[in-house]
Amino acid sequence: DIQMTQSPSSLSASVGDRVTLTCRASQGIRNDLGWFQQKPGKAPKRLIYAASSLQSGVPSRFSGSGSGTEFTLTISSLQPEDFATYYCLQYNSPPLTFGQGTKVEIK
Amino acid sequence: EVQLVESGGGLVQPGGSLKLSCTGSGFTFSDSPVHWVRQASGKGLEWVGRIRSKTDNYATAYSASMKGRFTISRDDSGNTAYLQMNSLKMEDTAVYYCTSAFATASNNFWGQGTLVTVSS
Repeated sequence: DIQMTQSPSSLSASVGDRVTLTCRASQGIRNDLGWFQQKPGKAPKRLIYAASSLQSGVPSRFSGSGSGTEFTLTISSLQPEDFATYYCLQYNSPPLTFGQGTKVEIK
Repeated sequence: EVQLVESGGGLVQPGGSLKLSCTGSGFTFSDSPVHWVRQASGKGLEWVGRIRSKTDNYATAYSASMKGRFTISRDDSGNTAYLQMNSLKMEDTAVYYCTSAFATASNNFWGQGTLVTVSS
């Protein structure tokens, strides 16, 4: 199985900060990766697909990059509604696997 | 409006069975794979399995920890997918979500989730 490792597990940041989250795959997955945002008690919401393609309707402050085994999600200017947990997901080959999540908290 | 609605969750004893349903509307359900994802309280997301569309021969795949116990099927005439769960364990307690395709540019839809509690 492909293991997905996210870092950091949590971070504290202020409104307006630039934030970068990382996801590493245990083997190459091309660009078969998505990023999801989840708020407490809610279903996840896809932000990014194919590693760097922005989901329609998602603010442009979110961006994704990477290919192979190293991926990043960047929030260029953190907004109050962005405080949530973020997950990466590899869909290169089953079983699909999520990272353990990064919780973004208010400093 | 696009919707995925899960149903069928509840309380079941260890070793028991439960069948969840996921009904879609507002999009071409039959063209979409359906994935099941679960989340134990306070924990991360865990992929359960998926069923592809008729075009892809309704191919299924499962997480290793659920393979052999869980079965995913679909009835496109009713826009519904199912997750049959057998030999349930306490560690299967979670909110179960159904969701549509992850890989395509078209939107990725999620249901609201249904809670499964395995307890004696």
